[in-house]
This record gives sequence, structure tokens and C-alpha cells, in this order.
Amino acid sequence: QVQLVQSGAEVKKPGASVKVSCKASGYTFTRYGISWVRQAPGQGLEWMGWISTYNGNTNYAQNFQDRVTMTTDTSANTAYLHLRSLRSDDSAMYYCAREWLSAWDNWGQGTLVAVSS
Amino acid sequence: DIQMTQSPSSLSASAGDRVTITCRASESISSFLNWYQQKPGKAPKLLIYAASSLQSGVPSRFSGSGSGTDFTLTISSLQPEDFASYYCQQSYNIPWTFGQGTKVEIK
Repeated sequence: QVQLVQSGAEVKKPGASVKVSCKASGYTFTRYGISWVRQAPGQGLEWMGWISTYNGNTNYAQNFQDRVTMTTDTSANTAYLHLRSLRSDDSAMYYCAREWLSAWDNWGQGTLVAVSS
Repeated sequence: DIQMTQSPSSLSASAGDRVTITCRASESISSFLNWYQQKPGKAPKLLIYAASSLQSGVPSRFSGSGSGTDFTLTISSLQPEDFASYYCQQSYNIPWTFGQGTKVEIK
């Protein structure tokens, strides 16, 4: 069955960076794009960006354009989210999600990132 | 960016009730509208895609309708496991955007 398994929780200081991984299994990795979505505590969902697992093309939300890099390692069926210059308001749950017919049909379990001095 | 506005923000209902959640887009998005359910501490789950198509494995009591700017998610007979938050999301234009969510609580 399709599974997206994310890396574990992170605690970071302001100004640091974090790299979250999302390992896919149960399907051909390069046939579906991956989006990253985050959710601050008690808040709604916010799309951060998308990466083509086929050719590595990316599309980032304006809010993250200068601080985010999304990459993939197709040999490991894994997508990565790298977020730099962390602030306290980056504390959130970060999800990867598989894109299917312009919707997200499978999601990772989430990675909690806490930013605190 | 396309703004998505859901209403209500929260509602209280009883098991067996018919529940309707609406989602309005700030401009026409054709049928590029998806609905997700999220339970506390869990990842969102796709319920409806392309405005009215039921995702595989989702109970038929869930249905979606609408096109253009106005959309509806209906739960025909609310079940105990349906108490959750629901989000609409447009996939017409990047950046993909979500509604603010509707929390369905037990009356």
C-alpha cells in the first residue's frame, strides 16, 4: 500500500535550519509530485510548495520563496524539505503529501518542528 | 492568490443529522476543488476531489457539489467518526490555498 513516512520531530533554535524527509513506498515514486503543507498549532493548513519527483522542478509559495528548498533522491524514493532562518512562528507540523489528479491522496504522518531559544 | 472562505467556522450537530459546509472561492476555479477531513493529531484525509468525485474508500454519506465559485460538502447522516475538521482546497491556481476549516462538534 502507498505510504509516506516522515522523519522525526525536531527542536531548533531561531536562525537555524531544518531538513525533513519523506520516504515513499508502495508506488512508483517518480510518477507523482510531492507537496509540503504545514499547520501551526491550532491553525489551518498552509501549502508551502511542490516538487516534481520526475525532473526536480519546483514551485514554492511566495511566503517561503527565499527560505525553502525542496529536493528529492529518486534512488531512495525520498523527498526533502529544507527550511532556513527559522523563526518562532515556523513552529508547526509539517506534512508531505502525494499529488494525484490535482489533489493530495496520501499524506505523511507529519513532522513536528519546534523553534525555541 | 485565490482566497477560499468556508462557512460556518464551526457547528454542533447530532449523530444522524444532515450537515452542509460551504466553501466560496474569490474567483472562479471551475471544478478544481477538494475536500479533506482532519481528526486531532492526524494528517488530513482526502474525501472529495474535483468538486464532486468521491475518493476511494470514503463512505457514500459524503458528497460534494458546485462549480465556479460556490461549493458544498454534505454529510447525509452524521456518524460518530465524522466529528472532525473539514477543509476545502483549490487546485486551480498556484499557490494552492485552503479554506480556514470547519470544526464539526458533537451537540
